[in-house]
Amino acid sequence: GAGVSQSPSNKVTEKGKDVELRCDPISGHTALYWYRQSLGQGLEFLIYFQGNSAPDKSGLPSDRFSAERTGGSVSTLTIQRTQQEDSAVYLCASSVDRDFYGYTFGSGTRLTVV
Amino acid sequence: DQQVKQNSPSLSVQEGRISILNCDYTNSMFDYFLWYKKYPAEGPTFLISISSIKDKNEDGRFTVFLNKSAKHLSLHIVPSQPGDSAVYFCAASGGTASKLTFGTGTRLQVTL
Repeated sequence: GAGVSQSPSNKVTEKGKDVELRCDPISGHTALYWYRQSLGQGLEFLIYFQGNSAPDKSGLPSDRFSAERTGGSVSTLTIQRTQQEDSAVYLCASSVDRDFYGYTFGSGTRLTVV
Repeated sequence: DQQVKQNSPSLSVQEGRISILNCDYTNSMFDYFLWYKKYPAEGPTFLISISSIKDKNEDGRFTVFLNKSAKHLSLHIVPSQPGDSAVYFCAASGGTASKLTFGTGTRLQVTL
């Protein structure tokens, strides 16, 4: 597609359940990032994938969070045993290598844990 | 540890006037700075950037100024238009970092 596609756009889940968030990057973009924005906060880096290199997971807040990128394209962010503090907008971005000019964000998934 | 700070959560400016959005950073390794604009229910979009070898970069109505000694940058929008109403994020990167560090954003409201 022409842009970064994220699904679902909204997700309400009960505390303790697992959720999966999907990101479909721009075709040909080798770099893929996950960020999240909690209420009143800036965009917080979560994880970065670049080609076939090992991902930079330094931003993942706990071991309940994991992400994978299959075939160098689609990425899934999984949150296990969700907590209320996980409520946020989860944003995916892709770019060619580390080209910040071409950093294109999706419109995000708004996750609400009740 | 907030390495990029936008201390004004909101700003209201009249149409036609200048909007000045400020950003401070603490990490001296940052050498590349960007501004993103975000409308509700959309992802942020790239607006303008500046590298640490420059102190000013201009693109149409948008100018970014960098003061390295003060670790401060600002975005000037002249003249401001109602369509500029959005949340503006300052972001920074440096060294071998593969990610951007974002501020908390400033909501700009341009009034008629």
